Amino acid sequence: GAVVSQHPSRVICKSGTSVKIECRSLDFQATTMFWYRQFPKQSLMLMATSNEGSKATYEQGVEKDKFLINHASLTLSTLTVTSAHPEDSSFYICSAEKGTDPDTQYFGPGTRLTVL
Amino acid sequence: GDSVTQMEGPVTLSEEAFLTINCTYTATGYPSLFWYVQYPGEGLQLLLKATKADDKGSNKGFEATYRKETTSFHLEKGSVQVSDSAVYFCALASKTNAGKSTFGDGTTLTVKP
Repeated sequence: GAVVSQHPSRVICKSGTSVKIECRSLDFQATTMFWYRQFPKQSLMLMATSNEGSKATYEQGVEKDKFLINHASLTLSTLTVTSAHPEDSSFYICSAEKGTDPDTQYFGPGTRLTVL
Repeated sequence: GDSVTQMEGPVTLSEEAFLTINCTYTATGYPSLFWYVQYPGEGLQLLLKATKADDKGSNKGFEATYRKETTSFHLEKGSVQVSDSAVYFCALASKTNAGKSTFGDGTTLTVKP
């Protein structure tokens, strides 16, 4: 199997606070993990690519100081939205690649962030 | 750069109807091609994939054939069910793009009983 979990599934926070989202590969080691943002009725927007033990690579236009990504182990990556504002409200999805099947991405169930 | 163009939705069908969702791509080299499905409020699930020309991916009654000559990967199902209602994304992964995948905009399918 290739199961990816995300926690929390939903989070509501006040403006100005920080929120951490975890992405875990449960039954495989993920050499690479990706973080996406999805707006209603739209496709996925890649935010960053993270490899275990190294700094994340951010896509153009994504603020690295606002969206902190840490890939601490081969099974865990975290996304921290710092000083969140209402415009950061979105559906955040992570995905992970197995080393044995590098083209296929296995997605987490997503995290719905609402910033009040 | 790489790109994926898929049929605009929404698509509404009656149960047991035939489904086609068109997908064409532009990529350098020889990408792998995928269809992912997203049910409401959930992340994406891999539906099927094909890694080289003329390969056919299939799963749960869905099929798609990698057509290099037409750069297409159309999704088909002979008889849809209400439970197939979801958003379908066509995607490609190209080794020349640092392992990143490129997604189409998604096609919303609604199947009515």
